[in-house]
Amino acid sequence: QLHLQESGPGPVKPSETLSLTCTVSGASIGSGSYYWAWIRQPPGRGLEWIGTFFYSGNTDYSSSLKSRVAISVDESKNEVYLHVTSVTAADTAVYYCARQLGYRSSWYSIWGQGTLVTVSS
Amino acid sequence: QSVLTQPPSASGTPGQTVSISCSGSPSNLGRNSVFWYQQVAGTAPKLLIYRDDQRPSEVPDRFSASKSGTSASLAINGLRSDDEADYYCAAWDDGLSGPVFGGGTHLTVV
Repeated sequence: QLHLQESGPGPVKPSETLSLTCTVSGASIGSGSYYWAWIRQPPGRGLEWIGTFFYSGNTDYSSSLKSRVAISVDESKNEVYLHVTSVTAADTAVYYCARQLGYRSSWYSIWGQGTLVTVSS
Repeated sequence: QSVLTQPPSASGTPGQTVSISCSGSPSNLGRNSVFWYQQVAGTAPKLLIYRDDQRPSEVPDRFSASKSGTSASLAINGLRSDDEADYYCAAWDDGLSGPVFGGGTHLTVV
């Protein structure tokens, strides 16, 4: 059974880089059958797509975050990574990783439990 | 301001049928499938409906959905107290080249 688990360092200071890890179990991220997305949710607000990593090695990013975001994977560790640079308080959110089905879709079939990242000095 | 428009709240009593609407535009709902997610307070979203009207096997058939043109709707029959949650619609937007979500509808079961 596929399971996703996000983890991160905890609070982040403004202007620093936010780095999160999504550990995938129950399937190989390099199997070529899945895509891996990051989605966030500010406290009390709705969902916002950050980006998606495709098994071809390509990535798709939200136009509003593209200049500050990078998603990568380590197939040997079965992990998906998210890096967001130059963070501000507006980046405070619960960050979810999710398995995406379909190229360029909003079909997220499995979600991690999410990890809260607080940006504060 | 979300690209897809949902009512912020809905309510019903146990056993009732409740519908939640999702309004979009030609660049999203007009051309692409709609997906629905359920988020119980304090938990991660869960896929409820895919490709406009398809239910994952684990989702009860009390949940149904439809789409017509640039509007979509989620219906919950036989409302239960554990249906109380936030419901989000989502679709790919060709103009924005990315997935977009509705602002979410908080369903209260009174």
